[in-house]
Amino acid sequence: GQQVMQIPQYQHVQEGEDFTTYCNSSTTLSNIQWYKQRPGGHPVFLIQLVKSGEVKKQKRLTFQFGEAKKNSSLHITATQTTDVGTYFCAGRTDSWGKLQFGAGTQVVVTP
Amino acid sequence: EADIYQTPRYLVIGTGKKITLECSQTMGHDKMYWYQQDPGMELHLIHYSYGVNSTEKGDLSSESTVSRIRTEHFPLTLESARPSHTSQYLCARELDSRSTGQPQHFGDGTRLSIL
Repeated sequence: GQQVMQIPQYQHVQEGEDFTTYCNSSTTLSNIQWYKQRPGGHPVFLIQLVKSGEVKKQKRLTFQFGEAKKNSSLHITATQTTDVGTYFCAGRTDSWGKLQFGAGTQVVVTP
Repeated sequence: EADIYQTPRYLVIGTGKKITLECSQTMGHDKMYWYQQDPGMELHLIHYSYGVNSTEKGDLSSESTVSRIRTEHFPLTLESARPSHTSQYLCARELDSRSTGQPQHFGDGTRLSIL
């Protein structure tokens, strides 16, 4: 079955540094979504990517969907303490299929 | 903006009790989901529903059951709680659209602790 893998599982970042988290699927995806879960909170939808090679930006966050639509990345520049949390990617093999979540990347920011 | 509500927020209860976790949404969305998540860990889909009288088991086997008698409500029931059921339970809603994938909107969750 479809599997969505995320690396790294944990990311310790110095405030002000950049980092990237990666999401890889064993099958071609129709679309991919990213969510952020703050400690003690619930996942909150950030963005969806649909097109091959698509790049979207939200302030310091840059999301990319691979050309083959089997991988995605989230790059955060100039990390801030507000970026603390777990970032999940989630993909579908077709628009109406079940969403398959990755295991998440837990981000800790050191001041 | 989430418009999806879960009660109770926290529940500490003894082994063997019957528990019902409530989830309701006001958006009229057909698709609803239950996830189980241990702190800081991945989300495990345990049940989902694509409409009234439609329920399916998720990827993670669970001793819980669900019902979908009304669009707005998707309660989860544990007939006899055990310590292994201690976890956070998250409910989510999703607009049913065939045109493109839709995001899921989560409730605040129920943190369940079985003594």
